Amino acid sequence: DTAVSQTPKYLVTQMGNDKSIKCEQNLGHDTMYWYKQDSKKFLKIMFSYNNKELIINETVPNRFSPKSPDKAHLNLHINSLELGDSAVYFCASSQGDRAYGYTFGSGTRLTVV
Amino acid sequence: GQNIDQPTEMTATEGAIVQINCTYQTSGFNGLFWYQQHAGEAPTFLSYNVLDGLEEKGRFSSFLSRSKGYSYLLLKELQMKDSASYLCAVSRRGGYQKVTFGTGTKLQVIP
Repeated sequence: DTAVSQTPKYLVTQMGNDKSIKCEQNLGHDTMYWYKQDSKKFLKIMFSYNNKELIINETVPNRFSPKSPDKAHLNLHINSLELGDSAVYFCASSQGDRAYGYTFGSGTRLTVV
Repeated sequence: GQNIDQPTEMTATEGAIVQINCTYQTSGFNGLFWYQQHAGEAPTFLSYNVLDGLEEKGRFSSFLSRSKGYSYLLLKELQMKDSASYLCAVSRRGGYQKVTFGTGTKLQVIP
């Protein structure tokens, strides 16, 4: 019964391809996020959705497009993949009171070759 | 903008005590998180400080000084399994808070 699950866990693809990463949470949280962690382990927010509404959209290339069909799901689609997109992408969720922090998914390691 | 600083790496001995510091500069500060991240795994929540002072949770304690823009995570009775990266993260006030993470401190516990 994984709280925040994301698929796939590993993704190796060629430059120029389009790929999607899926995320689902069963915690009943109202807010979901996508974070990118680069090779230096720097964790940076990309997007945040609250009840299917986009509330945070950092300076991310428009090749990245999040989609939230409902508040339990937040998917990330990436067009025209580039070498610099190689990173670990973490999905996370939270509920109102941030005192309990985020619950992260196990991450998707994306390698663009 | 925001600036979060923490040491890149630390080494400590099993059974000892280690203190991992974090300094931050941000507008609209609301609170500070500490997360633990083992290699190849997701970050897991350790603590969240909003008020000044020390909060203790078992072997782990977290301290915050809002006026100094300073926090530390104290780990007591170190165990080998405590070898991990420890991420300091700052949340800002206003609507749906955005949380900014530091680059993390990689702690190695040695026998």
